[in-house]
Amino acid sequence: AQKITQTQPGMFVQEKEAVTLDCTYDTSDPSYGLFWYKQPSSGEMIFLIYQGSYDQQNATEGRYSLNFQKARKSANLVISASQLGDSAMYFCAMSALISSGSARQLTFGSGTQLTVLP
Amino acid sequence: DAGVTQSPTHLIKTRGQQVTLRCSPKSGHDTVSWYQQALGQGPQFIFQYYEEEERQRGNFPDRFSGHQFPNYSSELNVNALLLGDSALYLCASSLVGGRNTEAFFGQGTRLTVV
Repeated sequence: AQKITQTQPGMFVQEKEAVTLDCTYDTSDPSYGLFWYKQPSSGEMIFLIYQGSYDQQNATEGRYSLNFQKARKSANLVISASQLGDSAMYFCAMSALISSGSARQLTFGSGTQLTVLP
Repeated sequence: DAGVTQSPTHLIKTRGQQVTLRCSPKSGHDTVSWYQQALGQGPQFIFQYYEEEERQRGNFPDRFSGHQFPNYSSELNVNALLLGDSALYLCASSLVGGRNTEAFFGQGTRLTVV
C-alpha cells in the first residue's frame, strides 16, 4: 500500500519569496514516481513536476524544484520567487511504476492550500 | 492540441438516480483513469481503463462502473446515487509505455446529489 502525507493544511508566503511545501511518502514498491500537482479553484489538476525513484538528480521545472530525499522518504516542493498566481491547492502524489513504463494509479495526499500575499 | 475534456462541467442529481460522466483523453493517449475528489480532500482513484477493459480498480462499490470506447474516450456511470457521491470527478489520460510525467487531468465534473 502507498501513503502520502502532507502535514501543512495551509501556508502563506510573501510575493517574490520562496516557499517549501512538505510531502512524505510510504511505499513497499521498489520503483515509484512522485508528482506534484496544482489545483486552482477552477478544479483542474495541473501537473508541475515529476521525480522517479531512481533519478539521480532532483527534478526542476522552471520555478519549481523537488527536494527528493529517498532515505527520509520525503519529496518537498520548492517554489521560488512566488507569484500571486501561485495561490492554489497543491497536491503531492505517488505511483508505482510497472514494467511497461507507465504509471499505475496515483495516490494523493490531502493537499496544502498556498496563499501568496502581495 | 486539445487536452483532456470532460462533460458536463456541473451536474445536479437526486438521490437514487443514475448519472453518466464523459471524458475524452488527450490526443495520442490510450489510457483513462477516473478519480473522485470530495470537498477538502485529495482525489481518490476509482478505476483505470485501457484497451476497453478495466485494468485497475480502487476501493469503490459496484455502483461505480465505466466503459472505454474504441476511440479511447470513456464514461463513468454511478447508479443509485447517494448524498455522499457529491464530489468533483476527475478524468486523467496517459499513454501506456509513455513517460510517467504524461498524466494529464481534465477540468472535472462537479456532481451534486440532493
